[in-house]
Amino acid sequence: DGGITQSPKYLFRKEGQNVTLSCEQNLNHDAMYWYRQDPGQGLRLIYYSQIVNDFQKGDIAEGYSVSREKKESFPLTVTSAQKNPTAFYLCASSSLAGDREQFFGPGTRLTVL
Amino acid sequence: GESVGLHLPTLSVQEGDNSIINCAYSNSASDYFIWYKQESGKGPQFIIDIRSNMDKRQGQRVTVLLNKTVKHLSLQIAATQPGDSAVYFCAEEDSGGSNYKLTFGKGTLLTVNP
Repeated sequence: DGGITQSPKYLFRKEGQNVTLSCEQNLNHDAMYWYRQDPGQGLRLIYYSQIVNDFQKGDIAEGYSVSREKKESFPLTVTSAQKNPTAFYLCASSSLAGDREQFFGPGTRLTVL
Repeated sequence: GESVGLHLPTLSVQEGDNSIINCAYSNSASDYFIWYKQESGKGPQFIIDIRSNMDKRQGQRVTVLLNKTVKHLSLQIAATQPGDSAVYFCAEEDSGGSNYKLTFGKGTLLTVNP
């Protein structure tokens, strides 16, 4: 099956710890994205990448870091510098040609204890 | 800055009725629009999209209407079912730019009463 996967589904972190969220896609999409969603809110863009070894900051990049070493993978690290990290994190991917709808993973719910 | 917003944050309908969810956008350069459905605790699912060279597009039980004059987008769901209960987001893109970023609205919660 083609699709986009995220792991883990639930993640708990102590204050001051860094944590990495996984995102993998086998859709052969060039572009990948990370969003943050807070309760009752829309999606806010953290980082995005259009090509391997390159990525750009989104609207709320502070306290986060990413890497894009492989086309299929776009892990997100939530660092201790992120002041309010508890949220639902969504990864997406899209083609850069034709219809560019973004396909979303199932999300990771991060809770800071 | 440019933004995408929704007129109604919540919508409650009876099973079998038609639902209409509205979205206003302010970026006149946006030329690609998408509707997503998000069920509780899950990632958004693509429903239907439309390009600015069209004013209407139909899918299975869903229709998207685009009015570029007033920068308004709507999603119509025919014969609404309990399984349609979810949050619906509109998203816009300016494909003339090179960023390939979508801007999302805050969403409308649709509740279908049996």
